[in-house]
Amino acid sequence: QKEVEQNSGPLSVPEGAIASLNCTYSDRGSQSFFWYRQYSGKSPELIMFIYSNGDKEDGRFTAQLNKASQYVSLLIRDSQPSDSATYLCAVNVLGNAGNMLTFGGGTRLMVKP
Amino acid sequence: EPEVTQTPSHQVTQMGQEVILRCVPISNHLYFYWYRQILGQKVEFLVSFYNNEISEKSEIFDDQFSVERPDGSNFTLKIRSTKLEDSAMYFCASSDGGGNQPQHFGDGTRLSIL
Repeated sequence: QKEVEQNSGPLSVPEGAIASLNCTYSDRGSQSFFWYRQYSGKSPELIMFIYSNGDKEDGRFTAQLNKASQYVSLLIRDSQPSDSATYLCAVNVLGNAGNMLTFGGGTRLMVKP
Repeated sequence: EPEVTQTPSHQVTQMGQEVILRCVPISNHLYFYWYRQILGQKVEFLVSFYNNEISEKSEIFDDQFSVERPDGSNFTLKIRSTKLEDSAMYFCASSDGGGNQPQHFGDGTRLSIL
C-alpha cells in the first residue's frame, strides 16, 4: 500500500516568513515528487517537481528531497497572504505503467498579514 | 499558457442515471488521466490513458466507469449508473510524457448525485 503522509495543519505563519511544508512517503520505489497548490474549491495547480536528492529552487519556492529518509519538503520564502491554500504532495513510482500519482491529504497553510 | 479544459463545471444527476464528463487535454500532450476528490478527502487516481488504451486503473474504476477519446481533442469519463457515493469533484489531467513528467489539471467537474 503506497502512502503519502502530510500534516493536515493548519500551519500559520506571518507575512514575510518562511513556510515549511513536509511530506513522507512509504514506497522506496518512488522516483518523482510533485507539489501542488489547491485553493478551496479549485483544482490542484502544479508548483514544483523534483526527482533527485537535494534542493531545487524556483523563485520563492524550494523543494527538498531526501530519498534515504523518504522525505520531501517545500519551503516558501517571503510568504504572502495569497499563498494561503492547501499544499498537496504527490508521488509517482518508477515503473508504474500508468504514471499514477498518489496524493497526500494536504497541509493547509495560512499566511497572516 | 495552454490549459486543460473540462465541461460541465457542475453536473447534477439523479441516482442511476448515466453521466459523461468531458475534457480537452493540452494539445501536444499524449497521456491523459482522471482523478476524483470527494469533499474533504484526498485526490484519488482513477485511470490513465495512452495510445488509445487504458494504461492503469485503480480499484475505484470498476465496470461502471469507462473512458474514451472519441476524436483528436476530447477525452471523456462515463459513469454508467451513478450512485450517491460518486458525488465528488472529477479532475482531468494531462502530461506530455510518461514517467516523471508533471501532470497538469483542469478546473474540474463537480458531480452531484441526488
